[in-house]
Amino acid sequence: GAVVSQHPSWVICKSGTSVKIECRSLDFQATTMFWYRQFPKQSLMLMATSNEGSKATYEQGVEKDKFLINHASLTLSTLTVTSAHPEDSSFYICSARDAQGSQNTIYFGEGSWLTVV
Amino acid sequence: AQRVTQPEKLLSVFKGAPVELKCNYSYSGSPELFWYVQYSRQRLQLLLRHISRESIKGFTADLNKGETSFHLKKPFAQEEDSAMYYCALGGENTGTASKLTFGTGTRLQVTL
Repeated sequence: GAVVSQHPSWVICKSGTSVKIECRSLDFQATTMFWYRQFPKQSLMLMATSNEGSKATYEQGVEKDKFLINHASLTLSTLTVTSAHPEDSSFYICSARDAQGSQNTIYFGEGSWLTVV
Repeated sequence: AQRVTQPEKLLSVFKGAPVELKCNYSYSGSPELFWYVQYSRQRLQLLLRHISRESIKGFTADLNKGETSFHLKKPFAQEEDSAMYYCALGGENTGTASKLTFGTGTRLQVTL
């Protein structure tokens, strides 16, 4: 089946620095990708919808200047956490929509653990 | 606004017992409902969607618009069913699942 890959799987960064997380669709084109945040033992919270070639659509309460999303190609979206702080530590998950065919299925990446120290 | 409610954080059943994971939703339009499963240390994966009306790994779910529910059921639980289960509601574009709203998840624990 289709695969979505995230990199890095885990990252530790110093407070005040920026960190980039990549999300790639490996064998399909994804015009739409989604970024989620998941706190321990909690559900996935949608942060933003990333559309190829256009600006991301952020959910209410998500700071677009803090969480920069770029979807430069049909197979890659990046999330940059700028000036990271310890409260940004979380599990970040991306998903990509395979719009080909009739199923229109969403596939999830394996997630990226961010720890800000 | 769309909302998904999974009332149980943990459901513990014995192997061979029936399983029902509850999911209720709130949505003004025509909903598209999904169940996703997350096994230990693995990524989220689609278990089933209501429009397919299929049975995956013995699980079924029927959309009940009158009760706004989409409960996940399996007649006989197996140890390998132990996982986190998320109910999800599709967005405004019916059939495209453009934006998913997830429930808080229910951890299913199957014991011997």
